[in-house]
Amino acid sequence: KAGVTQTPRYLIKTRGQQVTLSCSPISGHRSVSWYQQTPGQGLQFLFEYFSETQRNKGNFPGRFSGRQFSNSRSEMNVSTLELGDSALYLCASSLYPQTSSSYEQYFGPGTRLTVT
Amino acid sequence: GENVEQHPSTLSVQEGDSAVIKCTYSDSASNYFPWYKQELGKRPQLIIDIRSNVGEKKDQRIAVTLNKTAKHFSLHITETQPEDSAVYFCAATLGAGGTSYGKLTFGQGTILTVHP
Repeated sequence: KAGVTQTPRYLIKTRGQQVTLSCSPISGHRSVSWYQQTPGQGLQFLFEYFSETQRNKGNFPGRFSGRQFSNSRSEMNVSTLELGDSALYLCASSLYPQTSSSYEQYFGPGTRLTVT
Repeated sequence: GENVEQHPSTLSVQEGDSAVIKCTYSDSASNYFPWYKQELGKRPQLIIDIRSNVGEKKDQRIAVTLNKTAKHFSLHITETQPEDSAVYFCAATLGAGGTSYGKLTFGQGTILTVHP
């Protein structure tokens, strides 16, 4: 079974621009979570989607948004980019919503975003 | 919200020695505790996890222990090998419901170096 995939793998943008990142979960997985990884802040939760609905959101400004499609693929968007948005953006998929016994999250390879 | 503290931040051992990484969590309602290994430039990989109804879990050279009363859990790696060198992250979540959907709260990471 193919793992979680993310596109693009690398991205360079300038301040003020916007960016859209894509995540395709493992086949059959319906929940997608997004995380930001930086050397200073570590791994921080952005948001989670299930059945095209955002169920949970981390402590990030409204410039960070996302969505999920009917095939469970998810996108996240960052508008008005700032230098501090430079990070590795990781998505993770889970088999079921976390009301069942399957809590495991499997990560994609990430998108390395550099803002100049 | 949940807060996870991880120690040590760096750990250096000789091949064949044991390595122990410890984490404490703040939310007594958390009930799922995964450990991830992240090699340089790679995605975080789930290596072992434990749920709050279990005190210990082992998978070959890796084991995790959980003390719910003290709210801490530990990763134990025996007979370390150079390929164990990586950054290890602990995480915690309330597996079902509330504000926890899809949200893993991570520790700050431990850089493990195994010297041949």
